[in-house]
This record gives sequence, structure tokens and C-alpha cells, in this order.
Amino acid sequence: QQQVKQSPQSLIVQKGGISIINCAYENTAFDYFPWYQQVPGKGPALLIAIRPDVSEKKEGRFTISFNKSAKQFSLHIMDSQPGDSATYFCAASIHGSGNTGKLIFGQGTTLQVKP
Amino acid sequence: EADIYQTPRYLVIGTGKKITLECSQTMGHDKMYWYQQDPGMELHLIHYSYGVNSTEKGDLSSESTVSRIRTEHFPLTLESARPSHTSQYLCASSETGRTEAFFGQGTRLTVV
Repeated sequence: QQQVKQSPQSLIVQKGGISIINCAYENTAFDYFPWYQQVPGKGPALLIAIRPDVSEKKEGRFTISFNKSAKQFSLHIMDSQPGDSATYFCAASIHGSGNTGKLIFGQGTTLQVKP
Repeated sequence: EADIYQTPRYLVIGTGKKITLECSQTMGHDKMYWYQQDPGMELHLIHYSYGVNSTEKGDLSSESTVSRIRTEHFPLTLESARPSHTSQYLCASSETGRTEAFFGQGTRLTVV
């Protein structure tokens, strides 16, 4: 059972465009939703994260939009740059009373930003 | 830059051999994790530890075993490697009360 579903699998965007990656989750106990960026040969690195008590979080060119009722969240990369080319993973975990910290990952989106 | 290290980075080994993948972190984190990632696929949790002498199996069944004798060290062992174990293994750590998990660079294992 795939608890976190991510789309699209791959994305090609022109430099300066907006990249949008979507994720949907099933477990309503999830209370922490991070996005990780992975470049070839490296482990994932935390990009930005959100908790379900807010609907949007912005850090520089990166924005997470969160829709609790629809159980969906998305990553928007504004003014996409070739250096943003990487694989992006959404994830979810339970950090409340369960305090597990275990991450459930989406399938990943390979983003290519063309110059 | 996260202070979590994995060795070796790459390993090619024959079927039936015993291997240990090393993971060390210098951040004093109490929680550590092992994830398995096949090429182009998502990460799956195979083991985790909440502290010394604490180990639990993750969501994905794995024939590997782990130990946590020291806070900073979380090695993963395969007693008898098989081609089906070929994958990338990623170690991570986090601190109780904090949400961010830090990942190592991974070990790419190939069993021939």
C-alpha cells in the first residue's frame, strides 16, 4: 500500500518557469511533510517542510502548499534554474504523540530545467 | 553539511559473502535509520533505532540486521549477500524533538 503518492514521475521545465510537484497521502495521523532534494551520488537533503496547521510555507523560491481536507500537498519552484535539476521526494511522518520520526517517501520526481 | 558518514561508497561483492555497511554520525543524534533505495525509486525504511541497544525493523522487510552499541554508530550487516540485495543503502539520523533527518551519501551495493 503506497501511503504517499507523488506525481509527475518526471518534469521538464524551461529556465525561469514554475515547477510543480504534487503529493497525496492517506494516513491522517501524519503531521510532518518534508520535501527532499537528491542529486546523483548524494543522499537526500531537506529542502523545505510543513506542518498541517498552516496552508502554505515559503522559503526563497520554494513554496509548499498544503490542503489538509484533500490530504494533498505540493512543491512549487519559482523561477526554476538549471541548478534545480535533481530528483525531488515528498515524504510524511508522525511527530506528534507517536514521535516516530520515520519517513514515508513518495516515488520521486526527476526535474530537468532546460537553459 | 550534515555530519553523517557512510562507508564504503561503492561495494561489489560475490554471492554468499558477509558484508557490513558502516554508518557514523557526529551530531549526537539519538535516532538513526537505514533506508533502501533501488535506482529511480523511492526510499523504503528497513531498520531504525531510537537509541543505544534499541533496534526495530522498518516497513520494508529486509534480510539484513543492525546493531546500536554506540550512539554514533549504526552498522548494517548482511550475513550472506545475494544478487537481490543489490541496491543503494542510505543511513540517516535525527534528534528527538527535532523533525529534520540528515542523510549520508549512501552505499551502492552490487552483489554478483
